[in-house]
Amino acid sequence: QSVLTQPPSVSGAPGQRVTISCTGSSSNIGAGSDVHWYQQLPGTAPKLLIYGNNNRPSGVPDRFSGSKSGTSASLAITGLQAEDEADYYCQSYDTSLSASYVFGTGTKVTVL
Amino acid sequence: EVQLVESGGGLTQPGGSLRLSCAASGFTFSSYWMHWVRQAPGKGLVWVSGINIDGRTTTYADSVKGRFTISRDNARNTLYLQMNSLRAEDTAVYFCARVRWPFDYWGQGTLVIVSS
Repeated sequence: QSVLTQPPSVSGAPGQRVTISCTGSSSNIGAGSDVHWYQQLPGTAPKLLIYGNNNRPSGVPDRFSGSKSGTSASLAITGLQAEDEADYYCQSYDTSLSASYVFGTGTKVTVL
Repeated sequence: EVQLVESGGGLTQPGGSLRLSCAASGFTFSSYWMHWVRQAPGKGLVWVSGINIDGRTTTYADSVKGRFTISRDNARNTLYLQMNSLRAEDTAVYFCARVRWPFDYWGQGTLVIVSS
């Protein structure tokens, strides 16, 4: 059902940099729709991490950054920490016939 | 502090109905679009429905169109989701979320189980 594709999992050692891709299409990211990112810690509600492609809400560490190009977007986590172990979802808006908000398939980040 | 608290989830049989509520506080509820997003056990996030600030404009995912109805009571700062003709595949945690641009605040969710 998801129209935004993410890798199922990524991992890294503490202090390393990891990136998560979010691949869409010409009806969502490629149409100019903004991309937002959410972090979901185990057993909790999602939390807004990045909005408008590359903006951090107040309180989100600058270790988290976002980018967007063409029909894809990416989330980067630098200086990986144990507390970053969570599920991450991208989200955009799809302008196709069934216009709707769309989420990515989700990526589990594991800190080794 | 923005707070969103869902309630109304539970176990129901296929074909049954449930009404979810989301009590909002800490912000001007009537100034924001509100949405429902669900997450099946072990699965990802799926947008369900949204409603504009005065309740006159609503949108639904194709999977729930005709079965679910979103509404709001701005006087009570409460968002609702009436779910009818429930199916096993509707089993999920249902989150309400405030939206101005992104989904910037989420409730803790309420679990809906559809099973015989």
